Amino acid sequence: ILNVEQSPQSLHVQEGDSTNFTCSFPSSNFYALHWYRWETAKSPEALFVMTLNGDEKKKGRISATLNTKEGYSYLYIKGSQPEDSATYLCAFRKNSGGSNYKLTFGKGTLLTVNP
Amino acid sequence: ETGVTQSPTHLIKTRGQQVTLRCSSQSGHNTVSWYQQALGQGPQFIFQYYREEENGRGNFPPRFSGLQFPNYSSELNVNALELDDSALYLCASSSVSGPGNTIYFGEGSWLTVV
Repeated sequence: ILNVEQSPQSLHVQEGDSTNFTCSFPSSNFYALHWYRWETAKSPEALFVMTLNGDEKKKGRISATLNTKEGYSYLYIKGSQPEDSATYLCAFRKNSGGSNYKLTFGKGTLLTVNP
Repeated sequence: ETGVTQSPTHLIKTRGQQVTLRCSSQSGHNTVSWYQQALGQGPQFIFQYYREEENGRGNFPPRFSGLQFPNYSSELNVNALELDDSALYLCASSSVSGPGNTIYFGEGSWLTVV
């Protein structure tokens, strides 16, 4: 059973604060790591797909890093805005031959940004 | 807007009944997967279809079955519904092109079993 852990479970910050959360995943048989942003009643929005150790990706004020050797990824949000309030999910894909399509999700980090 | 549409958005069924959920994948995507998200959990993989064949399955019983059609749309069928089947069911589509490909999700279908 693959274990994907996200921390913290929830986070409250003030508008303008910068914040970060962690996704831990198995350090062996790495294929890809996905980050999603999920607002209530909407579809999960794909933020990043990370494939190489040391990858850093950026989309506006949101960025992510990847360490496959130690099995973790960080998601950073700079200058949080109320519209950043959402659940942030990471999902691990294991390199298992023909079945590397499966996403194993963490439980998510619920971010609330107070105005 | 991910281009993945699911129907219905909400439905209520009685224990023992059967349900069919539908998904229209993003144009050009030949792979569709289904996930179940129970309260307080991350989405759990049910199965994946590629070119109308099931090519992978998670830890779900045989009463969870699916279909993929020539236009790559898909159905998830659940027989003999149990109360624990109450959950959000998400459909995801992608093209088979390697580790860097994005997997897109629909908004989901909320199923309540009473």
